[in-house]
Amino acid sequence: DTAVSQTPKYLVTQMGNDKSIKCEQNLGHDTMYWYKQDSKKFLKIMFSYNNKELIINETVPNRFSPKSPDKAHLNLHINSLELGDSAVYFCASSQADRVETQYFGPGTRLLVL
Amino acid sequence: DQQVKQNSPSLSVQEGRISILNCDYTNSMFDYFLWYKKYPAEGPTFLISISSIKDKNEDGRFTVFLNKSAKHLSLHIVPSQPGDSAVYFCAASAGANSKLTFGKGITLSVRP
Repeated sequence: DTAVSQTPKYLVTQMGNDKSIKCEQNLGHDTMYWYKQDSKKFLKIMFSYNNKELIINETVPNRFSPKSPDKAHLNLHINSLELGDSAVYFCASSQADRVETQYFGPGTRLLVL
Repeated sequence: DQQVKQNSPSLSVQEGRISILNCDYTNSMFDYFLWYKKYPAEGPTFLISISSIKDKNEDGRFTVFLNKSAKHLSLHIVPSQPGDSAVYFCAASAGANSKLTFGKGITLSVRP
């Protein structure tokens, strides 16, 4: 009964492919996030959704498209993968009024060859 | 543009001793600061936080100190235990319910 789960945990793919990462939370939270941890280890927010609505969209290429079918799910679709997309992607969730306390998934390790 | 800086990549301490993890920030609008802990192959987990109206917050073995004038905070762990070995991320936010800005983390190793 993992609180925030992500699939897959590992993803190895070729440049130019399209891939999706799924995230689900069973905490009843109304806000979900996607973060990217690159090779320099910084954890940077990419997107934030509140009740299925986009509220934060950092400077992320249009190839990245989040989709929230309901408030328990926030999926990340990446088109035309590039080498620089290789990173660990973390999903997280929180209550809207407790943004500071976020619960993270285990991460998806994406390697683009 | 690193608004939250953790300049030491790693720290090694003996079990039972104090661990002091440092964090500096540049954005004067930050008013809430947090520490997250991360084990390998897991996501970060919330550890402790402090509001800018305080200069100290304590939770068991963990204490966070905030020096606003120096734009510096530190996490003290005492006594350190081998299970504390992990990566510790410092994070900050500006205003209620605003996004978190993370540092790049520091790897703490506690030697038995």
